[in-house]
Amino acid sequence: NAGVTQTPKFQVLKTGQSMTLQCAQDMNHEYMSWYRQDPGMGLRLIHYSVGAGITDQGEVPNGYNVSRSTTEDFPLRLLSAAPSQTSVYFCASSYLVLGRERTEAFFGQGTRLTVV
Amino acid sequence: GENVEQHPSTLSVQEGDSAVIKCTYSDSASNYFPWYKQELGKRPQLIIDIRSNVGEKKDQRIAVTLNKTAKHFSLHITETQPEDSAVYFCAASNFGNEKLTFGTGTRLTIIP
Repeated sequence: NAGVTQTPKFQVLKTGQSMTLQCAQDMNHEYMSWYRQDPGMGLRLIHYSVGAGITDQGEVPNGYNVSRSTTEDFPLRLLSAAPSQTSVYFCASSYLVLGRERTEAFFGQGTRLTVV
Repeated sequence: GENVEQHPSTLSVQEGDSAVIKCTYSDSASNYFPWYKQELGKRPQLIIDIRSNVGEKKDQRIAVTLNKTAKHFSLHITETQPEDSAVYFCAASNFGNEKLTFGTGTRLTIIP
């Protein structure tokens, strides 16, 4: 059981380049999300999806696009990278535990992105 | 939207002592409050959570308390051990929408 898998683990981009961060989960979770983690700012939600074909913006969506064509995959696209997008990116998937009334987000191992 | 504030940003305690981390939230509709632990270079992992219809929850050395009226909740770690050293994040959500708003994190250091 691989859980949530992110690729790549490290990436250096030049300003203006585009790229896609990959995220895949094998737990059949409906809900997936992307966060960025910056020093002193915690985890901030970029985009999220409640199921295949459905996406919505989080707290910091500008400069990022997402799509959810399958339950398993939720790629994050940077259209034109900027130094302000230097960060650690985490993908997460989660599910509702009905009856126990909890939800648990399972995070990928993260992608450390540097934009120069 | 929801805003979660977390204090302190850093905390050092002697091994064996207790550690307390506090969070406040702004949205009265929030009803689910998880805590995540992130070790250096690793991914966040859920350690405990609480619903708004519960005032306190314990799991071995870890406990979480919630004061819904005051909109604050706290993480308590007793008998701290070196492996408790990590960054801890509180979060809040309205259960069912699964959008987590995180606090800014507390770096906990256990001094041997």
